[in-house]
Amino acid sequence: AQSVAQPEDQVNVAEGNPLTVKCTYSVSGNPYLFWYVQYPNRGLQFLLKYITGDNLVKGSYGFEAEFNKSQTSFHLKKPSALVSDSALYFCAAASGGSYIPTFGRGTSLIVHP
Amino acid sequence: DAGVIQSPRHEVTEMGQEVTLRCKPISGHNSLFWYRQTMMRGLELLIYFNNNVPIDDSGMPEDRFSAKMPNASFSTLKIQPSEPRDSAVYFCASSLNYEQYFGPGTRLTVT
Repeated sequence: AQSVAQPEDQVNVAEGNPLTVKCTYSVSGNPYLFWYVQYPNRGLQFLLKYITGDNLVKGSYGFEAEFNKSQTSFHLKKPSALVSDSALYFCAAASGGSYIPTFGRGTSLIVHP
Repeated sequence: DAGVIQSPRHEVTEMGQEVTLRCKPISGHNSLFWYRQTMMRGLELLIYFNNNVPIDDSGMPEDRFSAKMPNASFSTLKIQPSEPRDSAVYFCASSLNYEQYFGPGTRLTVT
């Protein structure tokens, strides 16, 4: 069975500081990993994915994520946070070749001015 | 492309009534997903279609829920009869290469 854990319900960071939103996963075989962002009253929006290749994946709006196979983690990062980054972030994982990912519970990111 | 289109955006209905939610996926996408989002349960996958065929409906809560995809550009999710515990935001998402593109959702309130 697939599972995704986002250990922090909420992450607070000051504008301009680096941010990290944590995600660990459990899937069989090679993982397909995703990050999505949800702004209030909107649908989820795709940020980035890891399928294969370089462990550091770059995505939209300056976000990146690092795949760590030994730690089964896929943390989302950004070097300098913006107030407009405040939103709900979801990590998702699927077994290689599967089109059905499992989503985490989400982490609320709050960036303070 | 206009993205995934869902209608209605808001629906308020009384318990026992039939509710039909509609979705138009992105043209060319061959996978379609229906999700339900609540504070208590988070994001739940209800059903997954591939090339208009239901592949996994294990998330459909009970027989009151049904979903169809008569063609590549249209899908419906029906709840009959509706109950207050069905109140949630329902999302449709479409996909071509693993990443999913979500619609704006339908906020359903059953009183």
